[in-house]
Amino acid sequence: QKEVEQDPGPLSVPEGAIVSLNCTYSNSAFQYFMWYRQYSRKGPELLMYTYSSGNKEDGRFTAQVDKSSKYISLFIRDSQPSDSATYLCAMKWNQKLVFGQGTRLTINP
Amino acid sequence: DAGITQSPRHKVTETGTPVTLRCHQTENHRYMYWYRQDPGHGLRLIHYSYGVKDTDKGEVSDGYSVSRSKTEDFLLTLESATSSQTSVYFCAISESGDGYTFGSGTRLTVV
Repeated sequence: QKEVEQDPGPLSVPEGAIVSLNCTYSNSAFQYFMWYRQYSRKGPELLMYTYSSGNKEDGRFTAQVDKSSKYISLFIRDSQPSDSATYLCAMKWNQKLVFGQGTRLTINP
Repeated sequence: DAGITQSPRHKVTETGTPVTLRCHQTENHRYMYWYRQDPGHGLRLIHYSYGVKDTDKGEVSDGYSVSRSKTEDFLLTLESATSSQTSVYFCAISESGDGYTFGSGTRLTVV
């Protein structure tokens, strides 16, 4: 079993829809939780970062962490075609990040 | 990608040859990482460095070595390239080991 599980998709939704991306994990030692966005043929870029259970908002993006269930989510409101990318969850333990497989998301105009 | 460059961007090499990929940063960050990205596997850590001449293995380190003789440079060497090492390689930097900044990647093909 992988330490971090993420549905690879692909996920395709119409413009304006609410998108929900999810990851589960098995290692209770994970301390920090992140979401990265990766455009085609580019490096991942940090989108959201949190270290506690609960919600964190940044514009149209909300990151949610539930440590008791070992489950994290990223919500995108009012999705735009420019949000089309691969989204990777990542979790930190012992100075290292462990990544999920990434979910490929397409927002259709 | 501000402050971090990878070279080369693309490389084709033959099985059995040594290959070195370079990561250069101008941010003076302490931590540097090498990941490989493959379909179905996401990003997997190869090696990382927490200071000059201080390195450690990641989950997929077999067949790879690294060196960091200066803060700004982190080299990844494939001692004898194999087809299974065909991948996209990403370097990342971090000051505190938290949020990473990634380079643009090196696309390596071993034929």
